[in-house]
Amino acid sequence: QLQLQESGPGLVKPSETLSLNCIVSSGSISSSNYYWGWIRQPPGKGLEWIGSIYYSGSTYYNPSLKSRVTISVDTSKNQFSLKLSSVTAADTAVYYCARLIDGARGDVWGKGTTVTVSS
Amino acid sequence: AIRMTQSPSSLSASTGDRVTITCRASQGISSYLAWYQQKPGKAPKLLIYAASTLQSGVPSRFSASGSGTDFTLTISCLQSEDFATYYCQQYYSYPEALTFGGGTKVEIK
Repeated sequence: QLQLQESGPGLVKPSETLSLNCIVSSGSISSSNYYWGWIRQPPGKGLEWIGSIYYSGSTYYNPSLKSRVTISVDTSKNQFSLKLSSVTAADTAVYYCARLIDGARGDVWGKGTTVTVSS
Repeated sequence: AIRMTQSPSSLSASTGDRVTITCRASQGISSYLAWYQQKPGKAPKLLIYAASTLQSGVPSRFSASGSGTDFTLTISCLQSEDFATYYCQQYYSYPEALTFGGGTKVEIK
C-alpha cells in the first residue's frame, strides 16, 4: 500500500528557507495520472494547497506563494521536495505531502510534519 | 481565484442525527468537488470526489450532491467516529489550482 512520509527540520528561523522532503514507498512516483502535492495547515486553521508536481517535473503553485515556492522531484529516489523561502511566523504549520489523482484530489496523504518559524 | 465557503463553521449534533454541511463556490465549478474528513492530529481523508462519488471504503451513510456553485455533504446517521472537521475542495482547473473551504467542525452535543 502506497505510503508517503514527510521529513525535514521542525524549526526554521525567520527569513530562512524551509526545506522538506516526501518519500514515496510501496509505489512509484513515476506513475502516470498522479501528481504529487504539498498542502499545509496553520495551527487551528484550514488547509492550504501549496503546489503540485508531475514526475516529469511540471509544476503548479498557489499564486499567493508562487514567488517563494519551489517543488522538485527526484524519480531515482522516489521522492519530491518543497522549498519555501523567506519564511515568517505565518508559515508555521503542519505540512502534508499527498498523492493527487490527476492533480485534482488527494487520495493518499503523509502523516504531516510540523514546522515552526521562530528565532 | 475560486473561493470556497463552507457553512456552518461548526455544529453540534448527537449520535444518530442527520447532518448536512454546505459548500459554495465563488464561481461555477461543475462537479469538480471533493470532500475530506480530518480528525485531530491526523491527515485529511478523502470521502467524496466528483461532487457525489463515494471514495472506496467510505461508509454509505456519507453522501453528497451538487453542481455548479452549491454543494452539500450529508451524514445520514451520525456515528461516534464521524465527529471531525470536514473540508470541501474544488479542482475545477486542476492541476493548476486547488482551493479548500474553511472547514466545518462537527462536535458532540
